[in-house]
Amino acid sequence: AQKVTQAQTEISVVEKEDVTLDCVYETRDTTYYLFWYKQPPSGELVFLIRRNSFDEQNEISGRYSWNFQKSTSSFNFTITASQVVDSAVYFCALLKGTQGAQKLVFGQGTRLTINP
Amino acid sequence: DTAVSQTPKYLVTQMGNDKSIKCEQNLGHDTMYWYKQDSKKFLKIMFSYNNKELIINETVPNRFSPKSPDKAHLNLHINSLELGDSAVYFCASSQFGATGELFFGEGSRLTVL
Repeated sequence: AQKVTQAQTEISVVEKEDVTLDCVYETRDTTYYLFWYKQPPSGELVFLIRRNSFDEQNEISGRYSWNFQKSTSSFNFTITASQVVDSAVYFCALLKGTQGAQKLVFGQGTRLTINP
Repeated sequence: DTAVSQTPKYLVTQMGNDKSIKCEQNLGHDTMYWYKQDSKKFLKIMFSYNNKELIINETVPNRFSPKSPDKAHLNLHINSLELGDSAVYFCASSQFGATGELFFGEGSRLTVL
């Protein structure tokens, strides 16, 4: 079965702290894609990153970084020097299925609150 | 110019009514989806269409009927609304064969009283 687990339901930190959001996935596919989406209080879903299973290089984009480890089936997301605007629900997702019948399987989401 | 647009954004209705949510994308994608986000924020796929053809139907009750008049539009009609249908419904699109991101609409919040 394909599944995404975000064990942290809620995280609350003070501004400027670093914070890591965990994501663990299960899949039997050898080729797969992982995603992170952000859902701010306004409600829309914002794409952050896609990672394919063949690329284990870590990715950094400004204050955001992602650590993909196939050995532990994890795709963790770190925000450095967090800001109040980072407050949102963050979803990790796994792309499942063959072309044309693909779907994103989402984790339960982690609600991140950055306090001033 | 909004890439994926849904209307209405908010919908409040009584149990037993029938309602529709419309979705349009101007990205030239040929695959569209409906996702449901429940009160606990859990997101789950309901349907996907590729070039007007139903591809995924994720054991959704028959009261939900998607309709795709063309590849740029995917509407969701819900009959005999129930309290449990209250949720945020997201439309999304992607390009067939691509393993890229899904582009989501802003969501339509349905409240059934």
